[in-house]
Formats: sequence, C-alpha cells, structure tokens
Amino acid sequence: EVQLVQSGGGLVQPGGSLRLSCEASGFTFSNHFMTWIRQAPGKGLEWAANIRQDGTEKYYAASVKGRFAISRDNAKKTLFLEMNSLRVEDTAVYYCARHLLVGATLYNGMDVWGQGTTVIVSS
Amino acid sequence: SYELTQTPSVSVSPGQTAKIICSGHALPNQYTYWYQQKSGQAPILLIYGDSERPSGVPERFSASSSGTTATLTISGVRAEDEADYHCQSADSRGAWVFGGGTTLTVL
Repeated sequence: EVQLVQSGGGLVQPGGSLRLSCEASGFTFSNHFMTWIRQAPGKGLEWAANIRQDGTEKYYAASVKGRFAISRDNAKKTLFLEMNSLRVEDTAVYYCARHLLVGATLYNGMDVWGQGTTVIVSS
Repeated sequence: SYELTQTPSVSVSPGQTAKIICSGHALPNQYTYWYQQKSGQAPILLIYGDSERPSGVPERFSASSSGTTATLTISGVRAEDEADYHCQSADSRGAWVFGGGTTLTVL
C-alpha cells in the first residue's frame, strides 16, 4: 500500500524547535518531489516547503524561510521538517505529500498525503 | 504575494450540479489542481493538469481552465460530496499557492 506515515509534532513554546518526520512505503520514494503543507485551525492549506528528488534543491514559503529546513533520507525513505524559532502563527496541522508522477512527467500537484500531525505553539 | 481566490461557500441540492471557481492572474501559465478535504481528514487529489482525473476519482468530478479562471464541476452532487474544495497552482517564480478553499454544502 502506498502511504506516508507522519510522526513528531506536539506542543512547544514560542521560540522552540520541533522536528517532523514522514516515512514513505509502497513506492519508490527517491523518484518523487516531496512537500510539506500546513493548515492553521479553521484556515485553508498553505504550502510550506518542498524538496527535489535528490535533495539538491529546496524551496520555502516566505513565512517559514530561514526558520524551517526540509530534508530527506532516500535510503530510509523519510522526509523531514526541522522547525526552529517557532511562532504562535505556526500552529497548524502539518501534512507531508508526494508530488504526482505520471510516466516521466512530474506535476506540481500532490497525490499521496500523510495523515497530518498537529503542531501547537503556545506559552 | 500571489493569491488564488475562491468563493467561500457553495450550496446545492442532491443531484444538482455544483461549480466551484478559482481565479488567479497566473493561471494561464500554470496548471491548476483541485483537492477535496473532508472534516478532519487529509486532502485528496481530484484533478491535476487543469482537467485530468487521477484513477479512482469519480467521473462526476470534472474541471476546466480558461484565462485567469479555473472551474471545478461536480455533476449529480451526492451527500458524500459535502467537503472543502481547494484549488492549487504556482506563481511565476515557482512558489506553490492554494486558494482559500470553498465549503460545499449539500442541502
């Protein structure tokens, strides 16, 4: 079964750090561009960061750039999001997601999502 | 920053057709994607590449894009289609962006 299983998250004080993990199974992880998306309570989806298949290129939303770091370990089929200098406004459900690959064509849309993990930043 | 605009809510009766609109100035140059998200669940990809359906997505879901507007059409709406629908695209610099979401209510 193709799936992404997330771990990490929880309650952290403003200025603190957290690391999210996303373990892939059922597909060739190293073939896929991967993304982190977040959703604040009662709000829409927000792209946070994504990473090229080989990890050589990484892209960040302006709201997290300089504070969050995306990485991947293709040997362990795992995606990571290191979150530092956390703010109250980072409170959200965080999803990892796989970019759609149809044949040799990579799309910007995401066809497999993790179950989501909650991050709460509060004093 | 680039934004995609969606109508916050749409209401239809079962069996009717629902149209959900997404607008953004860069849509003519980038594909639009559509997701369905039910309460407390992760989103599901409904449409990619403006109008393509992944396998497993019912044929009653279709989409099109023209100029700066993309449209998701749900034909023969069912109660189970009640959900939030999100459009997604990218800006000219490759930053991914989502619309604010549209809540579909089945009356």
